[in-house]
Order: sequence, then C-alpha cells, then structure tokens
Amino acid sequence: AQSVTQLDSHVSVSEGTPVLLRCNYSSSYSPSLFWYVQHPNKGLQLLLKYTSAATLVKGINGFEAEFKKSETSFHLTKPSAHMSDAAEYFCVVSEGGGADGLTFGKGTHLIIQP
Amino acid sequence: NAGVTQTPKFRILKIGQSMTLQCAQDMNHNYMYWYRQDPGMGLKLIYYSVGAGITDKGEVPNGYNVSRSTTEDFPLRLELAAPSQTSVYFCASSENRVPGELFFGEGSRLTVL
Repeated sequence: AQSVTQLDSHVSVSEGTPVLLRCNYSSSYSPSLFWYVQHPNKGLQLLLKYTSAATLVKGINGFEAEFKKSETSFHLTKPSAHMSDAAEYFCVVSEGGGADGLTFGKGTHLIIQP
Repeated sequence: NAGVTQTPKFRILKIGQSMTLQCAQDMNHNYMYWYRQDPGMGLKLIYYSVGAGITDKGEVPNGYNVSRSTTEDFPLRLELAAPSQTSVYFCASSENRVPGELFFGEGSRLTVL
C-alpha cells in the first residue's frame, strides 16, 4: 500500500529566502509523485510531477523537486520565496492502477513573512 | 476556457436535508472525480467516473451518490445530510488515467447544522 507523509504542517520563511517543503513516501512499486498548490479559496493546481524520467523535476513558478529513491523523499524547493507563494501545498503519490490510485498528504501551509 | 465549474460555492443544510452539488467541465475529459477536504487532512476520494455511464466508489462513498449521463457533467448527491458531511468538496477531471494531471474546480463549502 502507498502512503505519503508531509513532515511539516506549517513552514514560515521570509520573502527572498529559500523554501523547503518536505515529503516522504512509501510505495511497493515505482511511484509517480506530484506536488499540488492550493491558494486560499481556490482549487488545487499542479506544480510539478515525477513519472520515472529525470529525478530532478522543474515546475511552475520556479519550484522544483528531487526524487530520491534511497531516501524515499520528494522534497519541494524554491530558491527565493515570493509573497504570492503563500498557500497550501500537497504532496501526492500514485502507484498507478486506476483513477482511484492517488494518495494525498495532509498538506503544508507555507507562510511568507515580509 | 472555463475548465471545471462547481456550483454552489457555499451552502448551509439542515440535518436530514438533501442536495446536489453540480460539476461541469468543458475540456472533454473522460475522467472525473469528487473529493472532500477536511481541515488538516488531505483530500479523500468520494466517487469517480471513467466515462459517461460509468461510476465507481472511492475511499469515502457513504452518504453520497453520483451519476454521469454526459461527458461534461458529474453531479454529487447528498442524501439525508449529517454534520459529518460538513466539508469542502472538490470536483476534478483528467484527460488520462492516473498519473495524469488533475484539473480542479474552486470547491463547494458545505455546512450541515
């Protein structure tokens, strides 16, 4: 069975400093991994996805994530935070197999201090 | 291009009432999903559909029903509303099966009192 753990429920950084949102996963197979972002009162939007190609994945708005199989991690990073990055971020794992195959993490709330 | 549209955005129900949450997508996606999001929790799948006329249960289907008569529409029916159904509901669609990208609506916030 697959699972995903987001290690921090809240992360606070100052504008212009690096962002690190941590995600560990558990999977019996070679998983696909995603990060979604949810801005206040909005639906979720795909930031980036890993599907067994390059282990370093670049997404929208300057975010990137690195798939580390040995550490079962898929941490999300950004070199310099912007006020518009304040949102909820969800790590998602999939072993494939069908439309019901996604498992969402509980989310990390990113706060950007001016 | 509207994407995924959900109505209503907000609704308050009394215990025992019924209602339907509407979801429509204009991207010609075969796959559609209903999720609920509770505070501090990830999204939980309620029901999904892989095409018109085909629906299946997700992780938390009790108290809900769905239908899919067209590719565009995927309404979620709540029968006999209970306080445990207070949540934010998201409809999503995708062109391909997992791990394709999901496109989400903006959500419907339901309160049952």
